[in-house]
Amino acid sequence: EPEVTQTPSHQVTQMGQEVILRCVPISNHLYFYWYRQILGQKVEFLVSFYNNEISEKSEIFDDQFSVERPDGSNFTLKIRSTKLEDSAMYFCASSGPGGTQYFGPGTRLLVL
Amino acid sequence: GQQLNQSPQSMFIQEGEDVSMNCTSSSIFNTWLWYKQDPGEGPVLLIALYKAGELTSNGRLTAQFGITRKDSFLNISASIPSDVGIYFCAGRNYTGGGNKLTFGTGTQLKVEL
Repeated sequence: EPEVTQTPSHQVTQMGQEVILRCVPISNHLYFYWYRQILGQKVEFLVSFYNNEISEKSEIFDDQFSVERPDGSNFTLKIRSTKLEDSAMYFCASSGPGGTQYFGPGTRLLVL
Repeated sequence: GQQLNQSPQSMFIQEGEDVSMNCTSSSIFNTWLWYKQDPGEGPVLLIALYKAGELTSNGRLTAQFGITRKDSFLNISASIPSDVGIYFCAGRNYTGGGNKLTFGTGTQLKVEL
């Protein structure tokens, strides 16, 4: 069964460093999303992406964040200058025309 | 913003018991979904509901989309140890909200053998 994959599974970085989280969505999906989950809390929407542009973003998704689909298979989330409060699990999701979103296993980001 | 509250926050039940949890919203959604999350993993879709009043089953799971479109419940019958995890409801709107999911606060289920 097709699934969303994410790399790396864990990332440790120093405050102020840039990180890039990578996702490979399900191959025939056209809608892509990033969510985050701070430890012990609920999953929060960050951004949705369709047709090579951002379709919606939340208040969390400020100028430090950017997304890109650099080729036909990858979808990335970049955090330009990480802060301590960026420590969280980051989930990528994708959906087809029906809209049902399927989630990847997540990347655990720890900012020191 | 939209708030989804789930209850109970956690529950500890005996294997074989039925479980019921619900989700209420401060505003309307036109799609409700239920996900399960195991520790260290991503949410896995259990059931999707698309119409007010809809009742849908997936094996031992049954979920309903409330008539007011502001609530949903999930029932698990005859619980087994692998039902342990956190259950999240999520709401979605196509009008004014794009395709983003708004997640609930979660219900943690623990099953005693």
